[in-house]
Amino acid sequence: KAGVTQTPRYLIKTRGQQVTLSCSPISGHRSVSWYQQTPGQGLQFLFEYFSETQRNKGNFPGRFSGRQFSNSRSEMNVSTLELGDSALYLCASSLEGLAGAEQFFGPGTRLTVL
Amino acid sequence: AQSVTQLGSHVSVSEGALVLLRCNYSSSVPPYLFWYVQYPNQGLQLLLKYTTGATLVKGINGFEAEFKKSETSFHLTKPSAHMSDAAEYFCAVSRNTGTASKLTFGTGTRLQVTL
Repeated sequence: KAGVTQTPRYLIKTRGQQVTLSCSPISGHRSVSWYQQTPGQGLQFLFEYFSETQRNKGNFPGRFSGRQFSNSRSEMNVSTLELGDSALYLCASSLEGLAGAEQFFGPGTRLTVL
Repeated sequence: AQSVTQLGSHVSVSEGALVLLRCNYSSSVPPYLFWYVQYPNQGLQLLLKYTTGATLVKGINGFEAEFKKSETSFHLTKPSAHMSDAAEYFCAVSRNTGTASKLTFGTGTRLQVTL
């Protein structure tokens, strides 16, 4: 069974631009969560999608948004990029997104904002 | 609110020595607890988790952890370190109800294994 895939793996943008990252969950998984990993703030939860609906949300500004498609693939978008948005963005999938269930992480997209 | 504290951002052990990575949590209700490992340029991989039942949990690659409610701890151990264990380890907590799948992570401990 293929794992979680994220595209692109690396991305360089400039301040003020916007970016879209993509995540394909493991086949059959309906829950997709996104995390931001930075050296300063560590791993922080962005949001979770289940059946095309945002079910949980972390403490990030509205510039960070996401969506989920009917095939469970998910995208996250960051608008008006800031230098501080430079990070590794990790996507994780699980079957139903229930508490205690294993979440399978993708390799991440490393975003650099210049 | 929940939080996780990992004591020691860097731990160095000799190959064959005991590995002990510390994790303490804060939660108003009994949480679910996890240990993840991250190798360079890779995502996170689940080592083990505690939800309910036996407080000593065995995971992959010879790791285990014990949930101690009285000490609010969930330390990760491995009797004998191997060079391939060098990585970053994250302790995480989530609520124990319904669709509360959000993970709150500690700041991570980088494990170095020397010859």
